[in-house]
Amino acid sequence: AQSVTQPDIHITVSEGASLELRCNYSYGATPYLFWYVQSPGQGLQLLLKYFSGDTLVQGIKGFEAEFKRSQSSFNLRKPSVHWSDAAEYFCAVAPTGGGNKLTFGTGTQLKVEL
Amino acid sequence: GAVVSQHPSWVICKSGTSVKIECRSLDFQATTMFWYRQFPKQSLMLMATSNEGSKATYEQGVEKDKFLINHASLTLSTLTVTSAHPEDSSFYICSAGGNQPQHFGDGTRLSIL
Repeated sequence: AQSVTQPDIHITVSEGASLELRCNYSYGATPYLFWYVQSPGQGLQLLLKYFSGDTLVQGIKGFEAEFKRSQSSFNLRKPSVHWSDAAEYFCAVAPTGGGNKLTFGTGTQLKVEL
Repeated sequence: GAVVSQHPSWVICKSGTSVKIECRSLDFQATTMFWYRQFPKQSLMLMATSNEGSKATYEQGVEKDKFLINHASLTLSTLTVTSAHPEDSSFYICSAGGNQPQHFGDGTRLSIL
């Protein structure tokens, strides 16, 4: 069965510092890959997605992610974090062969220090 | 862009009552919608897949008689928590979208007293 691992439960960074959130997946083939962000008490907002092609994908709010097939990873990065980026971040996968079910990682809580 | 509306956003009710949560796709038709449950500080767990015009598909361990799903139109799916108890208190989120990526509602905070 597919699974998604986000090794870091909590991460704290200073405003203006760079950020990298880790995501590893276990899947029979390369799935569709996503990063979502969730503010407290809110739904999920899509930051970016990878379906195929260029392994470095750009998203909203200055985020990017790099797909590395050899490492089964899809890490999220941002060069300079803003205080408003404090939120919960979820990595998710979905099968490419059909079906829309998403499997989520456990999430990483990002705290930004001013 | 595509928008999914979820209502209500917050509900408090007494133990033993039933609560209905609506999920609407506002500018697209959704033959399939998904219902997730999220406990505090935890990830989203898929409860069921709602299929327009047919029975929902429930994930293992989810009680279908407890969580009734109806998807009577291409823009509306409802989740009814029947005879709710305090352990059903949670954050419920729906999503919709014919293809990836899914679009999520803002969630419903359910508190059972």
